[in-house]
Amino acid sequence: GAVVSQHPSRVICKSGTSVKIECRSLDFQATTMFWYRQFPKKSLMLMATSNEGSKATYEQGVEKDKFLINHASLTLSTLTVTSAHPEDSSFYICSASPRDRAWYEQYFGPGTRLTVT
Amino acid sequence: SQQGEEDPQALSIQEGENATMNCSYKTSINNLQWYRQNSGRGLVHLILIRSNEREKHSGRLRVTLDTSKKSSSLLITASRAADTASYFCATDAAGANSKLTFGKGITLSVRP
Repeated sequence: GAVVSQHPSRVICKSGTSVKIECRSLDFQATTMFWYRQFPKKSLMLMATSNEGSKATYEQGVEKDKFLINHASLTLSTLTVTSAHPEDSSFYICSASPRDRAWYEQYFGPGTRLTVT
Repeated sequence: SQQGEEDPQALSIQEGENATMNCSYKTSINNLQWYRQNSGRGLVHLILIRSNEREKHSGRLRVTLDTSKKSSSLLITASRAADTASYFCATDAAGANSKLTFGKGITLSVRP
């Protein structure tokens, strides 16, 4: 149990375009989902926390107009990278916390490799 | 300040040997977790230890927590080639917003 999927697993897009990444909890409902970014051989950096039905809370330095997060249901959160630039190329990972668990009990998706050309 | 820094940054051992990885942190915590990440993949939760616990076991894993030294260690006994991965500690800082802070990770290579 407690499986989280991400789609797509890899995406290549051209500079200036937007790309959407989906994060789904497959066998549980998630009140809270988290979006992280990971650079090569680096740690995970929290970008934002999203709660179902409310606006996401962004970490300092993360542009909310560039990284749009929507958590429309208890099983789906989306991250849209708008007007992507090469510096947005990264590995994006989501996690989800089951509604009957503490927020720090997070299950992670497999990640999405974004390459902006 | 960097919360959750692991050492060593890279570790190479022979299959069958034990692997010990350390994590230090700077602020008081509620709990600390260890995760494993295979190359290009998501994170897999290994074990959680609460601030009032000193040691936990799970299979071949043994985690210790020393809150006075603000450090934790992860021991993998009888390592296998399949243990090759990056390992991260993540802390839930006491009094902070609900977010995990990850260390930089340790790359473990287990040679067959």
